[in-house]
Amino acid sequence: GESVGLHLPTLSVQEGDNSIINCAYSNSASDYFIWYKQESGKGPQFIIDIRSNMDKRQGQRVTVLLNKTVKHLSLQIAATQPGDSAVYFCAENPINAGNMLTFGGGTRLMVKP
Amino acid sequence: DAGITQSPRYKITETGRQVTLMCHQTWSHSYMFWYRQDLGHGLRLIYYSAAADITDKGEVPDGYVVSRSKTENFPLTLESATRSQTSVYFCASSEPLANEQFFGPGTRLTVL
Repeated sequence: GESVGLHLPTLSVQEGDNSIINCAYSNSASDYFIWYKQESGKGPQFIIDIRSNMDKRQGQRVTVLLNKTVKHLSLQIAATQPGDSAVYFCAENPINAGNMLTFGGGTRLMVKP
Repeated sequence: DAGITQSPRYKITETGRQVTLMCHQTWSHSYMFWYRQDLGHGLRLIYYSAAADITDKGEVPDGYVVSRSKTENFPLTLESATRSQTSVYFCASSEPLANEQFFGPGTRLTVL
């Protein structure tokens, strides 16, 4: 079946470096792609989304890139901080699915001081 | 306090027992969701609700029952708990057609 997945289960970066978290998707009929962050012991928290007709969107210290040709989504975090340590999930909102999101398996980001 | 709350936060029960997990939100969001989170599976949608008295199945609804008599509450019931339902359960809410879902803190359920 169609799914949203992640390339790397764990990413370790040095504090201050940039982080790149990747996600592959297989459902071309998605209206939006979304990134969520989940800190230990908490529920997921929305970070940023990107519409399928865009290829880049920037937020505060984060940038999401969408490459529809290879069905690839990435989240870039600039100047990674200890507070960025968490599990990051990509999700997609298929067209005509209303509010129903499909989540990927998650990547753990560990920031070394 | 405003937000979305879940109770209990931790629950241990035995196989065959009925368990109800509560979810309450104060934003008057029309949509509410129940997910389960297991290692290796990420978040999987169990049930969702578009409004009071409107519920629909998600990806993994078997063994679960939901109701939504009031906009702010969305309880999830395991009618006869099984060990495979040991998981962390998250409730979420959102506005219609919104990508941002607001998640509760989760309930860790263990079925012995």
